[in-house]
Amino acid sequence: NAGVTQTPKFRILKIGQSMTLQCAQDMNHNYMYWYRQDPGMGLKLIYYSVGAGITDKGEVPNGYNVSRSTTEDFPLRLELAAPSQTSVYFCASRKDRADWYEQYFGPGTRLTVT
Amino acid sequence: AQSVTQLGSHVSVSEGALVLLRCNYSSSVPPYLFWYVQYPNQGLQLLLKYTSAATLVKGINGFEAEFKKSETSFHLTKPSAHMSDAAEYFCAVSGPGSARQLTFGSGTQLTVLP
Repeated sequence: NAGVTQTPKFRILKIGQSMTLQCAQDMNHNYMYWYRQDPGMGLKLIYYSVGAGITDKGEVPNGYNVSRSTTEDFPLRLELAAPSQTSVYFCASRKDRADWYEQYFGPGTRLTVT
Repeated sequence: AQSVTQLGSHVSVSEGALVLLRCNYSSSVPPYLFWYVQYPNQGLQLLLKYTSAATLVKGINGFEAEFKKSETSFHLTKPSAHMSDAAEYFCAVSGPGSARQLTFGSGTQLTVLP
C-alpha cells in the first residue's frame, strides 16, 4: 500500500490564481480530512468527508472547496488564492471505527501565495 | 467542544535525560487521545493512543503516556532522550460523532542537546 499520497509537494501561486491539491488513499478508508498547518498553531481542520459524495466543513473552511466522487480521492480546491492561504496542507484518512479512530497522514503540500 | 493545550512550545533536554512533554485536554465526551510526531519536512506519524483500555500507554521509540482523568492530562514521557527524538510533537483529542475529527494542540518542538 502507498498509504495517503499528496501532490504536488510544493507550489507557488500568485494572488488570485486557483489550484487543486490532490489527495489519494489506497486503504479503502471511508473518512478523509484536510488540515492546514501554520507555524506555532498546530493543525486546523478545513474540510472532511465521511464517504463518497458526503463532505462537511471543519474549523477553517473559508476560501476552500472539496469534493469526494470516489472513496480513494479527496481533492482540495483553492479558487482565489490569498497570502493568508500560505501554509502546509495535510490530507489524512481513517477506516470506520478501526484502530480507535487513528488517522493516517500524507506527506503534505507546501503552498506559498505571493 | 474539544480543546488541547500543550504547555511549552519548545523543550530542550540533554541526550540521556528524561523527556516530559505536557498535554491537557478538554472534551465533552470520554476522550480518545493521541500523540503524533513530525520530523522536519514530513507528515505526522502516530506515536501512541489512549482508547480507555489502560491508563498507561506505551508507544513506539520508547515513548509512553499516562492518562489522568482527574487532571485531564495525557503527558508524554521517555526515560532517556536520543538525538533522533528531536522533532515536533502534537497532542490531539478525538471529537464526538461519527466523523471523530481530531483537535490538535499547537505542538512542542523538542531539541536534544549532545
